[in-house]
Amino acid sequence: ETGVTQTPRHLVMGMTNKKSLKCEQHLGHNAMYWYKQSAKKPLELMFVYNFKEQTENNSVPSRFSPECPNSSHLFLHLHTLQPEDSALYLCASSHGQGSEKLFFGSGTQLSVL
Amino acid sequence: GENVEQHPSTLSVQEGDSAVIKCTYSDSASNYFPWYKQELGKRPQLIIDIRSNVGEKKDQRIAVTLNKTAKHFSLHITETQPEDSAVYFCAASWGEGAGSYQLTFGKGTKLSVIP
Repeated sequence: ETGVTQTPRHLVMGMTNKKSLKCEQHLGHNAMYWYKQSAKKPLELMFVYNFKEQTENNSVPSRFSPECPNSSHLFLHLHTLQPEDSALYLCASSHGQGSEKLFFGSGTQLSVL
Repeated sequence: GENVEQHPSTLSVQEGDSAVIKCTYSDSASNYFPWYKQELGKRPQLIIDIRSNVGEKKDQRIAVTLNKTAKHFSLHITETQPEDSAVYFCAASWGEGAGSYQLTFGKGTKLSVIP
């Protein structure tokens, strides 16, 4: 295990539901990330937090709302999603700015009906 | 912004043969090039990386080469084994101490090693 834990592993939700994805890292890292992985597409960076402060938001729709209460926990709140949002959502962490090596979680496989 | 192209999208090789995956990048300022391996149903994991001041790096059966002039880099796996079967992603980032959030990934190559 790499020390990055994501829950739940699988999630099925309707377009009107509200749900949250959780990520926790036990590596003492200072930076955390949300990536979206869709079939036949590159990994897409969604959000970056460095020392609990959001430093990147790559034009992600407002129906995705991140929260980083501390450097060990990261959430992704989901609201009124679309079927095209179905994908694997990966959390990752790194030591922080200047450290390029990413440690990924196992991901949450999300299906929006 | 950076654009990373990866080829081929799928690759099948016989066990024991070599496999080569190629990536090109667009931003000449990119200076860090990692490769991640993702086995079926598992998380991506870094397997090797190279910086722009180095032309080649090896780690046992895995090697990466970088051609800065042509802006391409390649992953070489020798003596392939069934456990090498996975999706491989290349990536590029730029900047002094830029950090992982500058990474741009390729679309991935699904490698199948046939016993």
